[in-house]
Amino acid sequence: AQSVTQLGSHVSVSEGALVLLRCNYSSSVPPYLFWYVQYPNQGLQLLLKYTSAATLVKGINGFEAEFKKSETSFHLTKPSAHMSDAAEYFCAVSDQSKTDKLIFGTGTRLQVFP
Amino acid sequence: GAVVSQHPSRVICKSGTSVKIECRSLDFQATTMFWYRQFPKQSLMLMATSNEGSKATYEQGVEKDKFLINHASLTLSTLTVTSAHPEDSSFYICSARGGQAEAFFGQGTRLTVV
Repeated sequence: AQSVTQLGSHVSVSEGALVLLRCNYSSSVPPYLFWYVQYPNQGLQLLLKYTSAATLVKGINGFEAEFKKSETSFHLTKPSAHMSDAAEYFCAVSDQSKTDKLIFGTGTRLQVFP
Repeated sequence: GAVVSQHPSRVICKSGTSVKIECRSLDFQATTMFWYRQFPKQSLMLMATSNEGSKATYEQGVEKDKFLINHASLTLSTLTVTSAHPEDSSFYICSARGGQAEAFFGQGTRLTVV
């Protein structure tokens, strides 16, 4: 069985500060890992994905994440927060089949203060 | 990225009636589609997985007779909430996967049952 744990349901940062959203996974098989962003009353948009290639993955909007097998982590970072980054962020895991379902974490709400 | 269109974005219906939500992959063939339900300020809970041309696989605790899923073609899946009740009010999101690693999400449907 697979699962993800997102530490911290709420994270607040000042504009320009480092953003760090934590995600730890559990998987008995090599995983695919994803970060999605959700704005209010909208669907999910893919930020980035890890699919067993490079362990440091760069995504859209300046976000990146590093897959660390030894720590079973896939934390999301951005060097400098922008007001427009305020949203809900979800980490997700699936196995490496093309049709397997995504298992989502509970989400982290990011607030950015001016 | 690929586009998934979900319709309608909002629907209000009377208690006891049925509501159909459509999920279309616009520029790729979706061999698998997923339906999620999201309660306010919570994560996405997978309801069912559907593969084109076959019966949907429902997650534990999801009533298949209440949430009817049809995946008749490689670009369309529908979710019908039958005999809707106020407790069915929620945000429903579909996603679709073809040959890609990631799933692409629709914009979501806000269902309100009055």
